[in-house]
Amino acid sequence: SQTIHQWPATLVQPVGSPLSLECTVEGTSNPNLYWYRQAAGRGLQLLFYSVGIGQISSEVPQNLSASRPQDRQFILSSKKLLLSDSGFYLCAWTLGLSNTEAFFGQGTRLTVV
Amino acid sequence: GNSVTQMEGPVTLSEEAFLTINCTYTATGYPSLFWYVQYPGEGLQLLLKATKADDKGSNKGFEATYRKETTSFHLEKGSVQVSDSAVYFCALSGRDDKIIFGKGTRLHILP
Repeated sequence: SQTIHQWPATLVQPVGSPLSLECTVEGTSNPNLYWYRQAAGRGLQLLFYSVGIGQISSEVPQNLSASRPQDRQFILSSKKLLLSDSGFYLCAWTLGLSNTEAFFGQGTRLTVV
Repeated sequence: GNSVTQMEGPVTLSEEAFLTINCTYTATGYPSLFWYVQYPGEGLQLLLKATKADDKGSNKGFEATYRKETTSFHLEKGSVQVSDSAVYFCALSGRDDKIIFGKGTRLHILP
């Protein structure tokens, strides 16, 4: 069966420090991968998505970047965190068909101090 | 671009009341439509889906019908329970592989 792993679960980082959140999927090949940020009153905001290795689409210009170095690995990064980067980050995957459901990781609660 | 608009919450109902959470969308082509639910302390999970016009998705007593003419996918349940308290998200997925979510509606059911 397919599983998705996202870590860490919680993270407290100082302003100006770098960030790396990792997400891996097991049990499937060539998934579509997604990073979302969940904030109160704003719902789930799509940040990045990828349909294949090295293919990244950015939805919101901001202080973050994403990379997909392997088929089932998706990384969210920042060189210098801002206070406004605080939030709940969710990774998700799909089979790559528009009519199939998305499966979500457990999320990372990031607090920038 | 594609977008999803759903009713603002929170919605508070008594147990056994009828529930409607409105969702409308803007999209090119013919997207697939979804409702996801996030129970307290848990991750998001699919509640139901519909992939073409006039399809009805259903699960756990919840229903939603894909209405192309009104670009809507309203979530309904005839008799809610305390255990239905959660945050509900409407979403669409189009040909561009993007999955767009609404802002979510928090539902409180009182015993």
